[in-house]
Amino acid sequence: QKEVEQDPGPLSVPEGAIVSLNCTYSNSAFQYFMWYRQYSRKGPELLMYTYSSGNKEDGRFTAQVDKSSKYISLFIRDSQPSDSATYLCAIETGGFKTIFGAGTRLFVKA
Amino acid sequence: DAGVIQSPRHEVTEMGQEVTLRCKPISGHNSLFWYRQTMMRGLELLIYFNNNVPIDDSGMPEDRFSAKMPNASFSTLKIQPSEPRDSAVYFCASSLPQSGEAGYTFGSGTRLTVV
Repeated sequence: QKEVEQDPGPLSVPEGAIVSLNCTYSNSAFQYFMWYRQYSRKGPELLMYTYSSGNKEDGRFTAQVDKSSKYISLFIRDSQPSDSATYLCAIETGGFKTIFGAGTRLFVKA
Repeated sequence: DAGVIQSPRHEVTEMGQEVTLRCKPISGHNSLFWYRQTMMRGLELLIYFNNNVPIDDSGMPEDRFSAKMPNASFSTLKIQPSEPRDSAVYFCASSLPQSGEAGYTFGSGTRLTVV
């Protein structure tokens, strides 16, 4: 079993839809939970991070962590074509090591 | 700040040749990471430096791979000899853990093709 599991998609939605992206993880010792966005032929870019269970909101983006279920989510409201990218969940295990999910490819159709 | 700068952006080389990838981290960042990204394996950590010292190189696939960080503003990843299975996008990332902020800043990557 991988330490971080993420469905690679692709996920295709119409403009304006609410998008839900998810990851599961196996180690309850994991500390920081992050979401990166990666556009084609670019490096990953940190979108949001959270430390504790619960929700964290930033504009149209909401990150949710459920430590009891070892489940993290990213919600995108009012999705736009410019949101089309690959979204990677990432979990910092403590110290320096960060483990990335496989990434979910998202397409938002105009 | 110009961000993390990697060069070259693209590299095409023949099997058996030496390849050197370069990275300039964000000024002031003291942690530097080399990652490799492929469709099959996703993002894999190759090596991590802290204050120019290699801390963990357990992700380096084999002895053909080596990395150096001679000073705080420069790092190299070398593959000698290169093989077709080394074809991937190689990313450098940097961070300042003492800032209390999580996450890394990635460069734009070097797309390596070994033919």
